[in-house]
Order: sequence, then C-alpha cells, then structure tokens
Amino acid sequence: QKEVEQDPGPLSVPEGAIVSLNCTYSNSAFQYFMWYRQYSRKGPELLMYTYSSGNKEDGRFTAQVDKSSKYISLFIRDSQPSDSATYLCAMSGDIQGAQKLVFGQGTRLTINP
Amino acid sequence: SAVISQKPSRDICQRGTSLTIQCQVDSQVTMMFWYRQQPGQSLTLIATANQGSEATYESGFVIDKFPISRPNLTFSTLTVSNMSPEDSSIYLCSVTQGSGAQYFGPGTRLLVL
Repeated sequence: QKEVEQDPGPLSVPEGAIVSLNCTYSNSAFQYFMWYRQYSRKGPELLMYTYSSGNKEDGRFTAQVDKSSKYISLFIRDSQPSDSATYLCAMSGDIQGAQKLVFGQGTRLTINP
Repeated sequence: SAVISQKPSRDICQRGTSLTIQCQVDSQVTMMFWYRQQPGQSLTLIATANQGSEATYESGFVIDKFPISRPNLTFSTLTVSNMSPEDSSIYLCSVTQGSGAQYFGPGTRLLVL
C-alpha cells in the first residue's frame, strides 16, 4: 500500500463546476498537507499549505484536512479552463527536520469551456 | 516566495555520459531538495542537499549515481552520472524557507538516448 493514494483521473468537468480532488494517506505522523498545481512542462506550483485538521480558503480554492479519517480534499469553485492541470497532494511529518514530502500520484483535471 | 531557476531547462544526452544540473535561488533558503519525476509519474525525492556537507540520500538513490553539491545557501547542483535511458526524467529542485512551505523550480527535462 502506498503511503499516499490519489485517484489519477483523468477528471473532466464543465466550466463553472465545483471540482473535488482527494487524497488518502496511511501515515498518522503526517501533519503538514499541501496541494500543488502542475501545468504541462512546468514545475509544481504551491496552491495550498495547511497544518493539521481543518479548512483553509484562498479565493476559489478550499483545502480540507481530516486527520481522523486520514483524508484531505481540495475544492475548486467556479472552475475555469485555466485550472486545467495536474493536481498533486503532498504531505510531510516533520517541519523541523528534512521536511521530506511524500506525493500522491496526481490527478489530471480538464475544465471544458 | 523564493524565485528558483534551473539550468539547463532540457537536454538530450548519450548513454554513459554525465550531466550536471544547477539550481539557483534568489535568496537564502533553509533546505534544498532534489526530486525526480519520471514520465507520467509523481515526484520522488532523491536527496536533501546539505550546505557544507554530504547530501542525505533516500532509499534507492546513491551518491555515486547522483552526486550533489551545495556550496552555499542559494545554490546546489545535481549530477546524473553514467546515464542510461532509464534516467530520462524531469529533475526538480525545491527549497523551503521559514514557513516550511516547499517551492519548486521549473525542472530540467532529460532525455537519454
């Protein structure tokens, strides 16, 4: 079993829809949770960075962490064609140490105009 | 966030040769890391680049194959040695600053023939 599981998709939705992206994990030591967006032929771009359980909102993006279920989500409201990219979840257990990130497989998302 | 550049952005190399990838950051950073992203796959951590000392390698990666230098707080190099077609990947450096968030460079696309 992988430490972090993420449905690779592909996921295709119409413009304006609400998108839900999810990851599950098995390591209870993870405390820091991140979502990255990666456009084709580009490096990953940090979208959201959260600590422990709870919600965090930034514009059209909302990140949720449920540590009791070992489940994290990223919601995109009013999705736009420019949101079409691969979304990667990542997590880490030790902010003071090497902060090694463990990534999910990535979900390829397409927003259709 | 820090601005990260990588050189070269891409290269095509012959098997048996070596390639050194440079990572430059526009400000001093706490940690620097090197990742590999194989075609269609997620990111895998190769090593943590330690300033002034030997890098810390993850399981499956060794110094003879991936020597790393970090002479100061803004610069690191990764060498891919004695390359084979299996080394064809995107190589990414990342950095962390005080907040602990991790930012990635644009990547180096390597094709080994």
